[in-house]
Amino acid sequence: EDQVTQSPEALRLQEGESSSLNCSYTVSGLRGLFWYRQDPGKGPEFLFTLYSAGEEKEKERLKATLTKKESFLHITAPKPEDSATYLCAVGSQGNLIFGKGTKLSVKP
Amino acid sequence: GAVVSQHPSRVICKSGTSVKIECRSLDFQATTMFWYRQFPKKSLMLMATSNEGSKATYEQGVEKDKFLINHASLTLSTLTVTSAHPEDSSFYICSAPLQGNTDTQYFGPGTRLTVL
Repeated sequence: EDQVTQSPEALRLQEGESSSLNCSYTVSGLRGLFWYRQDPGKGPEFLFTLYSAGEEKEKERLKATLTKKESFLHITAPKPEDSATYLCAVGSQGNLIFGKGTKLSVKP
Repeated sequence: GAVVSQHPSRVICKSGTSVKIECRSLDFQATTMFWYRQFPKKSLMLMATSNEGSKATYEQGVEKDKFLINHASLTLSTLTVTSAHPEDSSFYICSAPLQGNTDTQYFGPGTRLTVL
């Protein structure tokens, strides 16, 4: 059964304190791993798509990496505006399977 | 990136009434759109795949007669919650992939439905 597990469920950081979010997955026929940011009461905002192990993508303070079993979202020197829930999803047969997300809080 | 809109953003209705939610792709055409439901602190759960010009494909456990989907054009899909009950209260989100790229989905801002 296709499955996506994100950890931790919640993460509190001080401004400037770098950390990583984890997304572990099991899927038959991976068609991409996706990272989204979701603010309260809003729809997910697309961040990255990764397709193959070893691939990395960056956007401002965020960097996503991918292995055959998991993906990491690295946050470097976060700011309070990075506070949000980060969702990981895997593409399988045209559908997306989402994890429950990691709620990130960055305190000034 | 691609823009997807939803209307309304919030709706409150009485039990037994029907509510229609619209999902539009603003700057691209979408032959396929997806409808999700999200509960607090839970994953987005795919409800159905909306196909332009044909019937929607529903996920297991989703009642077709309760959640009516119509994909009338390449930029519009609608979800109608019929005879709504309090347990239908939730956050409904649609998404659409860019044509030619079925994997990267762009999401609408969501619709918060509250059934009294």
